[in-house]
Formats: sequence, structure tokens, C-alpha cells
Amino acid sequence: SYELTQPPSVSVAPGKTARIPCGGHNIGNKPVHWYQQRPGQAPVLAIYYDKDRPSGIPERFSGSNSGNTATLTISRVEAGDEADYYCQVWDGSSDHWVFGGGTKLTVL
Amino acid sequence: EVHLVESGGGLVQPGRSLRLSCAASGFTFEDFAMHWVRQVPGKGLEWVSSISWNSAGRGYAASVEGRFIISRDNAKNSLFLQMNSLRPEDTALYYCAKDGGGGYDSSGYGWGSWGQGSLVTVST
Repeated sequence: SYELTQPPSVSVAPGKTARIPCGGHNIGNKPVHWYQQRPGQAPVLAIYYDKDRPSGIPERFSGSNSGNTATLTISRVEAGDEADYYCQVWDGSSDHWVFGGGTKLTVL
Repeated sequence: EVHLVESGGGLVQPGRSLRLSCAASGFTFEDFAMHWVRQVPGKGLEWVSSISWNSAGRGYAASVEGRFIISRDNAKNSLFLQMNSLRPEDTALYYCAKDGGGGYDSSGYGWGSWGQGSLVTVST
């Protein structure tokens, strides 16, 4: 089955740039979605189809996807960005949706 | 505004059944695929099941295949998850989520709206 690998945690100082990777075999060939989940809340779609932002998501959030790694980038990080972030893809080989294990973003 | 409200969770003994519901409002329910995702408190997201707009396509995670059944009633703007032969490892918060498109697979739109979840606890 297809697997997505994320680091358990990423730390960044306020105002700096956070990059959260999501690794998977040839993930560059698949559309990747990203979700933000703040503590005690439901997930929120942050980026869809690799790099598109839903309405209401700040321009500070961006995405890229190439080769074996997709990346969520958050510029000018704020305290309110502290959350868990999950990547997601559709695996056509198994006909399953797959989530990464999640990355906890800590704002120092 | 899109609104999704899950219900039907609770405490159930192993081997028993439970039916979750998700009431949808604020959008044309019949146009969109819907999904169930679960999360053990403190752990990550796990996809459970998905259904296309017209119920023609359905998918299940290996962990629930053969035990859970997803369905929808477009006339009542409702999504369901019938959970049979429940196991302790099915204990989790269950979310319903709305797709941005009609097919349940390979969506390029992401899942733009989620409910607040319904807690299912399987225990003696």
C-alpha cells in the first residue's frame, strides 16, 4: 500500500518560514492536499491540488510537489499557525485515500 | 455556509453495531462525494470510507472492509456509516467531510468542509 512520510514535528520562530515535507514514491505524479488541524478542532483544508489555496487561507500558505516530496510552506509564521498538518493523496493502485502521519508545527 | 453535523456515536460493546449519521446543509448535497475519516485522540487522521455523489462508487479502508457500510440519502441531505462487528480498535472520533467534486476517488479538489466529529467508544 502507498505510504506518506512526514516528520513528527517542525519548529520555527515567529516571522520565519516553515517547510513541512511529505514523502512518497513518485508523489509528484499525484495531486496532494494539505490539512491544518488546530488542537481540539476539526481539520481544515489548507492547500489542494499541490498548490491551490481555498478561500480564506492566507497567501502565506503555499505548496509544491515534485519527485518524491511534496512540501507545504508557511511564510511569516504566526502563533496561530501552530497546529498539526497532514498531507493526503489518492492511491489509484489500492483505490484508497492515504493520509500522512501528520506534522506538529511548533512556533517558538 | 456549509454545515456538517455528525451524530450516533456512543459507547458500544465489542461485536455490536452502531450507525453514524451526518446531516448536511448549506450546499447542494447531491452534487458532491462524501467521506468518513476517524481519529484516535492524540493520533493522526485515518481514512475510513467514501461515496460518490450518486452512490455508484464506494470505497473502504482495509481495516473496515466487510464490516462497515457507507450510504447516503440525497433526498434527506444525509450521509451514513453503518458499523458492524465493532472492535476496540474502532474507538475514535469519526468525522464526515465534503469533497469538492462528485467522484469519491482521485479528487483534485480536496475535502473543503468537515463536521466536528462523533465519538465512538468500543469497550466492555
